Amino acid sequence: KAGVTQTPRYLIKTRGQQVTLSCSPISGHRSVSWYQQTPGQGLQFLFEYFSETQRNKGNFPGRFSGRQFSNSRSEMNVSTLELGDSALYLCASSWGQAGTGELFFGEGSRLTVL
Amino acid sequence: KNEVEQSPQNLTAQEGEFITINCSYSVGISALHWLQQHPGGGIVSLFMLSSGKKKHGRLIATINIQEKHSSLHITASHPRDSAVYICAVGSGGTSYGKLTFGQGTILTVHP
Repeated sequence: KAGVTQTPRYLIKTRGQQVTLSCSPISGHRSVSWYQQTPGQGLQFLFEYFSETQRNKGNFPGRFSGRQFSNSRSEMNVSTLELGDSALYLCASSWGQAGTGELFFGEGSRLTVL
Repeated sequence: KNEVEQSPQNLTAQEGEFITINCSYSVGISALHWLQQHPGGGIVSLFMLSSGKKKHGRLIATINIQEKHSSLHITASHPRDSAVYICAVGSGGTSYGKLTFGQGTILTVHP
């Protein structure tokens, strides 16, 4: 059974640009949740999508957005990048809603903003 | 005060020692997760529990809902257990399923 796949794995952007990250969940999983990890703040919840609907959102500005497609694949977008957006972005999939079922994490997308 | 507090933040042990990592939380939860992160970033889910105790091999996780406390135990620790261990709680109520993370415990096991 294929695991959670995140693309791209590494990317470098400059301030003001926008970026789109992709997450393909384990087959059959309906929930995809996104997280930001930085050395200073640790892991923080961004948002969760379940059956194409955003179910929860963390305390991040509106520059951070996402969506989920009918095949459960999810994308997150960050517009007008800032230096502080440099981080490891992780997604996780689960059969049920995030936080209530076993989570399977991808390897992450490491974003560097210059 | 953070909603999820882990202790200790750093832990060094000798191979074979019994290890305990603690997690306290201040909100109502739907479930509690213990996660393991090795250098390089990959995160693996060790346990999800909402009551009682679970055991996988040398790892044991317990939770006391009344005291809002969970512990992760590693018996007969091994250098390959060296990693960051993270406690995460899934919210109940109106934010059902939203995860809040502890700051992590860095475990180093020396041979």
